[in-house]
Amino acid sequence: NAGVTQTPKFQVLKTGQSMTLQCAQDMNHNSMYWYRQDPGMGLRLIYYSASEGTTDKGEVPNGYNVSRLNKREFSLRLESAAPSQTSVYFCASSDYGTGVTYSNQPQHFGDGTRLSIL
Amino acid sequence: AQKITQTQPGMFVQEKEAVTLDCTYDTSDPSYGLFWYKQPSSGEMIFLIYQGSYDQQNATEGRYSLNFQKARKSANLVISASQLGDSAMYFCAMREFYTGGGNKLTFGTGTQLKVEL
Repeated sequence: NAGVTQTPKFQVLKTGQSMTLQCAQDMNHNSMYWYRQDPGMGLRLIYYSASEGTTDKGEVPNGYNVSRLNKREFSLRLESAAPSQTSVYFCASSDYGTGVTYSNQPQHFGDGTRLSIL
Repeated sequence: AQKITQTQPGMFVQEKEAVTLDCTYDTSDPSYGLFWYKQPSSGEMIFLIYQGSYDQQNATEGRYSLNFQKARKSANLVISASQLGDSAMYFCAMREFYTGGGNKLTFGTGTQLKVEL
């Protein structure tokens, strides 16, 4: 009963290095999301994918890229890491559709990736 | 303007007492939903309860209930009979059905709840 799986759980990078955070869900959800969580700021949406084949920017997309590899997987890439990107990153997934059927569908979250950039 | 406002950075409650965590929201979307999540110190995000803007009754889930006042744009979470395990960060979040796009959520900054003996 995995739900949403994120890898890695912890990572330390040097400024300028690149890395990809991986996310996979086994709930057959259409939509997937990447958030970052910083102290005192709650969760902020970086990018999301409403359905396979589509991606859109969220509130804080600068410095990140995403790939919706297939329905299950949604990766987040930092091309040139900066100290300001030190954060906890959460991936989430949910059903998506129009109408009342989907209106109350919560997002299901992975356990997070704690990323430090020196 | 912030879409979700949680004005209580920290709250304390005695075990077995009830506690209310405040959440106000701002939207012009006629159709929206409000979610509450719990984040324990271990870090995972746990969905607690949902309230739709057209729901006639306040949502309840076990010891959790939502005091939804649409005219005031508030959706406060009430936890009855607090337990030590309720100590956590609590986030209020909103989904705007027409203007939000997809099932995006906007989160508040959270309230840290500490339950004391």
